[in-house]
Amino acid sequence: AQKITQTQPGMFVQEKEAVTLDCTYDTSDPSYGLFWYKQPSSGEMIFLIYQGSYDQQNATEGRYSLNFQKARKSANLVISASQLGDSAMYFCAMREGYAGGTSYGKLTFGQGTILTVHP
Amino acid sequence: GAVVSQHPSRVICKSGTSVKIECRSLDFQATTMFWYRQFPKQSLMLMATSNEGSKATYEQGVEKDKFLINHASLTLSTLTVTSAHPEDSSFYICSAAPPGRRIGEQFFGPGTRLTVL
Repeated sequence: AQKITQTQPGMFVQEKEAVTLDCTYDTSDPSYGLFWYKQPSSGEMIFLIYQGSYDQQNATEGRYSLNFQKARKSANLVISASQLGDSAMYFCAMREGYAGGTSYGKLTFGQGTILTVHP
Repeated sequence: GAVVSQHPSRVICKSGTSVKIECRSLDFQATTMFWYRQFPKQSLMLMATSNEGSKATYEQGVEKDKFLINHASLTLSTLTVTSAHPEDSSFYICSAAPPGRRIGEQFFGPGTRLTVL
């Protein structure tokens, strides 16, 4: 079973509008972390935002916010006031508990969502 | 801070040759580095976890004799694709986990695009 699911292969948004990218996850571990990364066509992975499983408030970083619904196991990324430079592939990733040993800090990535911002 | 570099950024080689990709943490020491493979428009697939001074841990289905990983120092991990074939053509990305950061927080290199003819 997929641990991280991104159901939107592609999304389109008008410049200056907000967009939500969906992410659901599956884990039985009470301690986990959720990350969102942006990957432009150049290929570099850019960290956007992080949400810990014990964090009481939704994470925010500038125009990025994470809509964390723990009971639903969802961690949707909201981008406000979209810009043309936001066009990229976006990945949701999860780090599960303290795996220990050499698996420590391993991330599992979702399939990704390609976001296209129209002028 | 937390900059990770990769070299080369692109490599084209003939089938049957071996290719080495370097991953360096430039401003921190990384006891753990990760190697990923990514096909066009697909997700990152973890190939192996590299630990300084010990053997790498490979994910299921990844041939350890095919993809040799060496993490000889706290700032350098190398991935060698041995006897490369066209199906090994892919985008290879490394990442490093700086100490003292959130568990799971990784900083990624810019990637290496490998094309095997």
